Amino acid sequence: QLVLTQSPSASASLGASVKLTCTLSSGHSSYAIAWHQQQPEKGPRYLMKVNSDGSHNKGDGIPDRFSGSSSGAERYLTISSLQSEDEADYYCQTWGTGIRVFGGGTKLTVL
Amino acid sequence: EVQLVESGGGLIQPGGSLRLSCAASGFTVSSNYMSWVRQAPGKGLEWVSVIYNGGDTYYADSVKGRFTISRDNSKNTLYLQMNSLRAEDTAVYYCARDYPRFDYWGQGTLVTVSS
Repeated sequence: QLVLTQSPSASASLGASVKLTCTLSSGHSSYAIAWHQQQPEKGPRYLMKVNSDGSHNKGDGIPDRFSGSSSGAERYLTISSLQSEDEADYYCQTWGTGIRVFGGGTKLTVL
Repeated sequence: EVQLVESGGGLIQPGGSLRLSCAASGFTVSSNYMSWVRQAPGKGLEWVSVIYNGGDTYYADSVKGRFTISRDNSKNTLYLQMNSLRAEDTAVYYCARDYPRFDYWGQGTLVTVSS
């Protein structure tokens, strides 16, 4: 079964960096994933696709502070030089034939 | 510029029906995969349904047999027909271009199922 696991919460200080993790279920470590950001009271916004080789393709207008990487079944989103507007929920998402799956989301708090 | 605009949400009684629309601009709906995603109050994102460019459709188990996804190529619009609505269908419903990552999202429309 295709499942994505995320930590419910994370926090980091203004100006610092943070690395969020999304873990693919057993047998699915070759899958690409996408990261989406949802700021408070707003709809989701596509950030990037992260492939199993660590390469990533960002969406329109996504700042260079956002980057993606991979290791085994884990996919990462790193945000550097944290700003107050980065405080948001972050969801990873993957796909197969006839199925789309979201992780439970990570609530990022900027201290 | 790609834009997706949902409409059709509202308050509906349990057991009722509602049709959501998603008007697209900046790209052709029929040439792409398109999905509906929902978010219950205070909860995470849940995928609902996808329609492929070839017309194949798929549904989450939670809505299978009750919801139908479709599109009108002449209007460049995606639809979600929702029947036999339940309280647990209460959510903001988003349409998204499905690439198959969701690279463009609408602003959402709220569906409230309550008596």
